[in-house]
Amino acid sequence: GENVEQHPSTLSVQEGDSAVIKCTYSDSASNYFPWYKQELGKRPQLIIDIRSNVGEKKDQRIAVTLNKTAKHFSLHITETQPEDSAVYFCAASSLGQGGKLIFGQGTELSVKP
Amino acid sequence: GAGVSQSPRYKVAKRGQDVALRCDPISGHVSLFWYQQALGQGPEFLTYFQNEAQLDKSGLPSDRFFAERPEGSVSTLKIQRTQQEDSAVYLCASSLGTGQETQYFGPGTRLLVL
Repeated sequence: GENVEQHPSTLSVQEGDSAVIKCTYSDSASNYFPWYKQELGKRPQLIIDIRSNVGEKKDQRIAVTLNKTAKHFSLHITETQPEDSAVYFCAASSLGQGGKLIFGQGTELSVKP
Repeated sequence: GAGVSQSPRYKVAKRGQDVALRCDPISGHVSLFWYQQALGQGPEFLTYFQNEAQLDKSGLPSDRFFAERPEGSVSTLKIQRTQQEDSAVYLCASSLGTGQETQYFGPGTRLLVL
């Protein structure tokens, strides 16, 4: 079955710097890759997603890139702000699995003012 | 509009007790998912419903775990004879259709088995 590895497990940056989180997946049939942000004690919330027919997607300060050949995808946050501090999870899903998500282990991002 | 809701938010159970966790998805959402999230880990898939049909239960850890969605709306996850390793946050998510659409998560039920 699918396996998603996420790195790093913790990331500390200064406010205004960029943050990059990387994920690799094992199942070449995976074609949908969402990213979720989870604040302490709160529900995961979708921040951006990408499908395998697209190499990059951007939404304001957040961007995601996908390399299907290498089976990895990354989250880029620019101009980080303290409110970006949270745990970020990548996930993968393959067509025919009904939307079932396989999550990475999470990255705890800390943005220091 | 109302999002996904779950109840109870917290549940403490003695080892061996049965528990029932409820999920109210967003109205009209066809797909419903249950995930288990251990402390410091990512959510792990348990089971998936499309309307009232349970199409995938490959993630249920043992036959002590049972889920249902009898009318295609509210879902209940039941854990029989709870054990300490069942302690986790149980997240429910729903999505509008049957494919790879945005999953909206509930706040979770934090289960502690003593």
